[in-house]
Amino acid sequence: DTGVSQDPRHKITKRGQNVTFRCDPISEHNRLYWYRQTLGQGPEFLTYFQNEAQLEKSRLLSDRFSAERPKGSFSTLEIQRTEQGDSAMYLCASSLAATSGRARDEQFFGPGTRLTVL
Amino acid sequence: GESVGLHLPTLSVQEGDNSIINCAYSNSASDYFIWYKQESGKGPQFIIDIRSNMDKRQGQRVTVLLNKTVKHLSLQIAATQPGDSAVYFCAENTTPEYSGGGADGLTFGKGTHLIIQP
Repeated sequence: DTGVSQDPRHKITKRGQNVTFRCDPISEHNRLYWYRQTLGQGPEFLTYFQNEAQLEKSRLLSDRFSAERPKGSFSTLEIQRTEQGDSAMYLCASSLAATSGRARDEQFFGPGTRLTVL
Repeated sequence: GESVGLHLPTLSVQEGDNSIINCAYSNSASDYFIWYKQESGKGPQFIIDIRSNMDKRQGQRVTVLLNKTVKHLSLQIAATQPGDSAVYFCAENTTPEYSGGGADGLTFGKGTHLIIQP
């Protein structure tokens, strides 16, 4: 257990429905990342936050995808009008932003939310 | 396209033997590399990292080698154990060192499935 939690762990939905996933990072971590992982592939970066600011969102797969981190703690990822191609594992990771003298910005991953769109 | 990838999708080794997992990357600007281990149903787990100003780094039973000339990264696991069975991913990033230093998400390869034979 890395200390990053995600909810729910599994979600089954019908095509066209909206879904929302939650991620609770390690409490002192200021960075939070979302990734998508399809079967047999490595995780694919979607977006990330530093505190409550979303610093990168150009990698979100379409305008149906959005993420928030309103208070700089937990984050939500929403997919609107789900499609069958959205079926995947959605991973969250958190890190403590590297500062001078620190060699790395290690990302700790949660267990993921597995989405199945019927 | 991907900037990192792996040479072999599956690697089978005898318990107690050493294993070597390889990774090629194409982005010459990458300056930070990480190996992750992912067990079935779990998120990726950090194993070891290396920065581009190094060519070797050792951890507990693991060694990462970086050859910038040919853009090649490898993970060596000594005396493999049944618990080492998993999918291993290499990942790369740029400029993760400093807060606000343009940290982006990690770029993962497709993974190598390591199977430990008894």
